[in-house]
Amino acid sequence: KNEVEQSPQNLTAQEGEFITINCSYSVGISALHWLQQHPGGGIVSLFMLSSGKKKHGRLIATINIQEKHSSLHITASHPRDSAVYICAVSGGGADGLTFGKGTHLIIQP
Amino acid sequence: GAVVSQHPSWVICKSGTSVKIECRSLDFQATTMFWYRQFPKQSLMLMATSNEGSKATYEQGVEKDKFLINHASLTLSTLTVTSAHPEDSSFYICSARDLTGGVYEQYFGPGTRLTVT
Repeated sequence: KNEVEQSPQNLTAQEGEFITINCSYSVGISALHWLQQHPGGGIVSLFMLSSGKKKHGRLIATINIQEKHSSLHITASHPRDSAVYICAVSGGGADGLTFGKGTHLIIQP
Repeated sequence: GAVVSQHPSWVICKSGTSVKIECRSLDFQATTMFWYRQFPKQSLMLMATSNEGSKATYEQGVEKDKFLINHASLTLSTLTVTSAHPEDSSFYICSARDLTGGVYEQYFGPGTRLTVT
């Protein structure tokens, strides 16, 4: 069973700062997901990665398959980015996801 | 993007009763749907994998007779919590898998918050 570790668990930053959230996993995967969960609980899928790097607006996700590590970056952070960011991995097409515990991000104005 | 709905968004029920939660893929067909559970301040945990037309596959520690899953069509899976107890109070989220361009993507429903009194 895959072990997914995220760091930091909590992060408070000022508006405009560059944010990095890290994720490592223990067993080879087919894909890694970055998810965003707001206080109401709803989940939004930000990225699905199997290699390299993806960018969407101010969000960038990278993955290093050899090192079993991924990072999520937020540039020019804004208070509306405040949420819990969750890393999740899947071992194959038929598999459900294994989740990290999440990073609680607060961006202060 | 693909949309997954859940109904109800929240429900309060009395101990001993049963509650049904629906998960629908609105604009795509999902041969596989997943049911997850999240207790307060904990990470999401996979409960079961629901495949259209066949029996669900349950994760270790999840009672299949308590959490009944039916995936009767390519757009609908239901989770029924039978004889609910207060410890079943949790946030239940489904996701539906879509195969696009040869790559599986999972789309999440908004979740259902269950409170058992």
